[in-house]
Amino acid sequence: QKEVEQDPGPLSVPEGAIVSLNCTYSNSAFQYFMWYRQYSRKGPELLMYTYSSGNKEDGRFTAQVDKSSKYISLFIRDSQPSDSATYLCARTGGSYIPTFGRGTSLIVHP
Amino acid sequence: KAGVTQTPRYLIKTRGQQVTLSCSPISGHRSVSWYQQTPGQGLQFLFEYFSETQRNKGNFPGRFSGRQFSNSRSEMNVSTLELGDSALYLCASRRALDTGELFFGEGSRLTVL
Repeated sequence: QKEVEQDPGPLSVPEGAIVSLNCTYSNSAFQYFMWYRQYSRKGPELLMYTYSSGNKEDGRFTAQVDKSSKYISLFIRDSQPSDSATYLCARTGGSYIPTFGRGTSLIVHP
Repeated sequence: KAGVTQTPRYLIKTRGQQVTLSCSPISGHRSVSWYQQTPGQGLQFLFEYFSETQRNKGNFPGRFSGRQFSNSRSEMNVSTLELGDSALYLCASRRALDTGELFFGEGSRLTVL
C-alpha cells in the first residue's frame, strides 16, 4: 500500500462546477500536507500547504485536512478550463521530503 | 528569478547504456531532490543533496546515483539502463530543509529502447 492513495481519475466536469479531489494517507507521523498542480509537459507547482486539521482557503481553492480519518481534500470553486491538470496530494514526514500520491487528472470542459 | 533548469529535456537511450541528467536549482537554493515519475507509480523520490552531501535516499537500486557540485548544480546518473527506467525525471530545489515546498523543473523525459 502506498503511503498516499489517490484516485487517478480522470475526473471530467463542466466549467463552473465545484471540484472535489481526495487523498488518504497511512502514516500518522509528524507531517505537513500539500497539493501540487501539474500541467501537461510541465513540472508540478505548489498550490496549497497546510499543517493543521481544518480548512485553508486561497482564492477559489480550499484545502481540507482531517487527521482523525487521515483524509486530505482539495476543493475548487467555479472551475475553469485552465484548471485542467493533474493534481497531486503529498505529505511530509520529519525530513520534510514530500511523499506524493499518483495524482488525479482533472478535465474542465467549456 | 530563474526557475529550476533541467537538461536535456528529451533523450532516447538503449538498454545497457548509461545516462547523465543535469539540474540547476533556483539561485540561493542549496537543496536539490530528484524524482522519477511514471504513469504506474507516480512521483517517486530518488535522493536529495544539500551542500554537496546526500541527505536522503529513496528506495531505488544502486544503478541510480547522483552528486551535487559546490555551485549547487546537481547531476543524476543511471547506469545499465533497463526498459523500466523510461520515465520523466524531475529535479526540484527548496530554499531550506525545513519546508516541503519544492520548486520543480520541467523534467527530462528518458525513453529506453
